[in-house]
Amino acid sequence: DAGVTQTPRHEVAEKGQTIILKCEPVSGHNDLFWYRQTKIQGLELLSYFRSKSLMEDGGAFKDRFKAEMLNSSFSTLKIQPTEPKDSAVYLCASSFSAETLYFGSGTRLTVL
Amino acid sequence: GEQVEQRPPHLSVREGDSAVITCTYTDPNSYYFFWYKQEPGASLQLLMKVFSSTEINEGQGFTVLLNKKDKRLSLNLTAAHPGDSAAYFCAVSDTGNYKYVFGAGTRLKVIA
Repeated sequence: DAGVTQTPRHEVAEKGQTIILKCEPVSGHNDLFWYRQTKIQGLELLSYFRSKSLMEDGGAFKDRFKAEMLNSSFSTLKIQPTEPKDSAVYLCASSFSAETLYFGSGTRLTVL
Repeated sequence: GEQVEQRPPHLSVREGDSAVITCTYTDPNSYYFFWYKQEPGASLQLLMKVFSSTEINEGQGFTVLLNKKDKRLSLNLTAAHPGDSAAYFCAVSDTGNYKYVFGAGTRLKVIA
């Protein structure tokens, strides 16, 4: 079975650029999450979709972060404009009805 | 809301010794409990999912204990080996609630 697929694995951006991260959840899962992981803050929830509907937009991350889910098998996270403090690992995860979370391999973002 | 405290943040043990990581949580309605393992540069891999009704759960080389009275979840690696060196995260969620709360993580190093 295919797990959660994230692309790209690494992304380097200049300050002020727009970047788009991609995620394909596990087939049949109806929940999709975007998290940001840093050593200092740990795992922070950015967005949560249930059956393609945005349920949580991450509060403090609303300003420059926008997640979309155009269909049940694909989601994007856009950061616009990027800032150096956005450097982190961005993890996508999916589950079926809020049970076990399965994580993708993540995208390591570096903003110069 | 739910708060999860994970201890210790760093742990170093010799090969063959046991290693114990503990998480305490605050919400008595918490129902699902998870342990994830994250190797360097990799994503979070599910070690075990625990339901609130099960106090002792055994995996390959480890035991997970849930003490609902004290609201404490622990991961006990019975005979650690170098391949166990990784970061470990606990997570807690309510029934059908998407709000998974993660511990800050424990960086385990097993010395050969």
